[in-house]
Amino acid sequence: QKEVEQNSGPLSVPEGAIASLNCTYSDRGSQSFFWYRQYSGKSPELIMSIYSNGDKEDGRFTAQLNKASQYVSLLIRDSQPSDSATYLCAVRADSNYQLIWGAGTKLIIKP
Amino acid sequence: NAGVMQNPRHLVRRRGQEARLRCSPMKGHSHVYWYRQLPEEGLKFMVYLQKENIIDESGMPKERFSAEFPKEGPSILRIQQVVRGDSAAYFCASSRVDFRTGLNTEAFFGQGTRLTVV
Repeated sequence: QKEVEQNSGPLSVPEGAIASLNCTYSDRGSQSFFWYRQYSGKSPELIMSIYSNGDKEDGRFTAQLNKASQYVSLLIRDSQPSDSATYLCAVRADSNYQLIWGAGTKLIIKP
Repeated sequence: NAGVMQNPRHLVRRRGQEARLRCSPMKGHSHVYWYRQLPEEGLKFMVYLQKENIIDESGMPKERFSAEFPKEGPSILRIQQVVRGDSAAYFCASSRVDFRTGLNTEAFFGQGTRLTVV
């Protein structure tokens, strides 16, 4: 059974601090990794995709991938109240189509 | 460059009626996923389709639910004889294959259809 695990939270972070979200996956053959943000009552929105080991930065967001340890993380610098949402980790299995989803981590940025 | 379009945004059906949900993928995308989500819960995979082909329907209930993605027109998720337990948000996402790498690309979501069965 291919699985993606996330801490459900809520994770509470003060405004301006770094929020760190983690995700582990079970399928070693996974090739593609994605972070989505979902506001309450809205659809998931793609934030970052990462395919290679290491860091990938986009503005205040940094995705980190470690295939040997089978984890992917998302760092949000200078957290803003508008970053409060549920963050979903998705992993594409080696079948190259099936997306395996974590249950999401609820992030709360406190002013 | 329109994104993934779903309609209707809200749909109310009485028990026993049929619900028909539509999804037009992003331009250039030929792969569609359908998901169901209950409040405060995660995304539940239902079905994955390519044009004129169902690739994986392992998440679809065996009865009353069907999906199609014809050569022309949107993908349709059909729920027959709806029951109150079908009330949920239904999301569609689309992606494409990058022909340089052979990898399926990022999936982009539509706004969703909120189905309420009364």
